[in-house]
Amino acid sequence: GQNIDQPTEMTATEGAIVQINCTYQTSGFNGLFWYQQHAGEAPTFLSYNVLDGLEEKGRFSSFLSRSKGYSYLLLKELQMKDSASYLCARGGDSSYKLIFGSGTRLLVRP
Amino acid sequence: DGGITQSPKYLFRKEGQNVTLSCEQNLNHDAMYWYRQDPGQGLRLIYYSQIVNDFQKGDIAEGYSVSREKKESFPLTVTSAQKNPTAFYLCASSTTGRPYEQYFGPGTRLTVT
Repeated sequence: GQNIDQPTEMTATEGAIVQINCTYQTSGFNGLFWYQQHAGEAPTFLSYNVLDGLEEKGRFSSFLSRSKGYSYLLLKELQMKDSASYLCARGGDSSYKLIFGSGTRLLVRP
Repeated sequence: DGGITQSPKYLFRKEGQNVTLSCEQNLNHDAMYWYRQDPGQGLRLIYYSQIVNDFQKGDIAEGYSVSREKKESFPLTVTSAQKNPTAFYLCASSTTGRPYEQYFGPGTRLTVT
């Protein structure tokens, strides 16, 4: 993705915790989004951060540090159904136009 | 129920033919987008529109065309000039005010042989 970096693949065990990192170019920053995408399906919205700190939503949390150009998605109590790609996206200079990273493919093993 | 529909889910065409992918939304969103996704890749923006009768090129607009005659509809035409059209095409919509999260349609998988 354009100026967005995230790991290509990660593997974790059912019931564990996994953190997926995302770094981005800070100029023109306008919010940070996380999406989940199962194979062959459309992305679905998970979280949005515009201020620094942690946003918690059930088993999923997302963190943002604007000064460092860094975000992470934290998934707790992993389930097999969490096996999917996780896309990091930032709001660009044109506010609502998003720039997506290439995604992190997460494999959850029993 | 509000949402975005794309049809068909799978589309097969011969090389050299133009093909139009439909996208309709009833979320009353002003902005609509077309993305292309190749296997193991992220989303690449083809075109976007923030208002009726206006649209802008994204990062990979060559070989594609769009129209926005109605707020609800944003069809994408894949022309014969697109050198590698086989891909998964996703349509999305959003508001133009924060948090402007994008809602995606189910996608159309286009195969050109």
